[in-house]
Amino acid sequence: NFLLTQPHSVSESPGKTVTISCTRSSGSIASNYVHWYQQRPGTSPTFVIYEDNQRPSGVPDRFSGSIDSSSNSASLTISGLKTEDEADYYCQSFDSSNYVVFGGGTKLTVL
Amino acid sequence: QVHLVESGGGVVQPGMSPRLSCAASGFTFSDYAMHWVRQAPGKGLEWVAVIWYDGTKKYYADSVKGRFTISRDNSKNTLFLQMDSLRAEDTGLYYCARDPHYGDSAWEFDSWGQGTLVTVSS
Repeated sequence: NFLLTQPHSVSESPGKTVTISCTRSSGSIASNYVHWYQQRPGTSPTFVIYEDNQRPSGVPDRFSGSIDSSSNSASLTISGLKTEDEADYYCQSFDSSNYVVFGGGTKLTVL
Repeated sequence: QVHLVESGGGVVQPGMSPRLSCAASGFTFSDYAMHWVRQAPGKGLEWVAVIWYDGTKKYYADSVKGRFTISRDNSKNTLFLQMDSLRAEDTGLYYCARDPHYGDSAWEFDSWGQGTLVTVSS
């Protein structure tokens, strides 16, 4: 099994852009799709990016996803930050031994 | 609109065997794989198990393998999680989640319930 490592926390000011990384410990990041979930305090997670870079309907285009094979990582970028973006963000992928892997989560503070 | 409602949580003693349920509505339940995902208090998300749309395949996290059993009743649009040999570390909020792809699991989650809290304590 592999691990997905995220920064514990990030912070940025409203209107700015922030990028959250998700690094795969072994195997290629491109081997399996990476998905991203937003979890606001006291609520259930919601999809913000699926299959590396696809945005579900209803998610603003300020949210984007990408993968980088050179660093073996995926990234979630949020531009034009709003206070409502303050939440925990989790990356997630799939291990071919039929196992789901979540990153440890990143707490985004918009201050 | 997809609606998932979990139930069956509560305070349980170590070794007890509660069964969680997840009532689904707003979509054709029998067409989609379903998952359980849990979250310990103040911690991150942990995948627990998946069941194929027709119940033919089931996979589990190592942490629950041999103790938990996922099942479904497509005639009643309900997902279950039988939890045996509970331990303190099983404490957490248990979510059911839908896999967005028709048929087999794509190992992702497009809709989540509100969760049911299981507290394992003597």
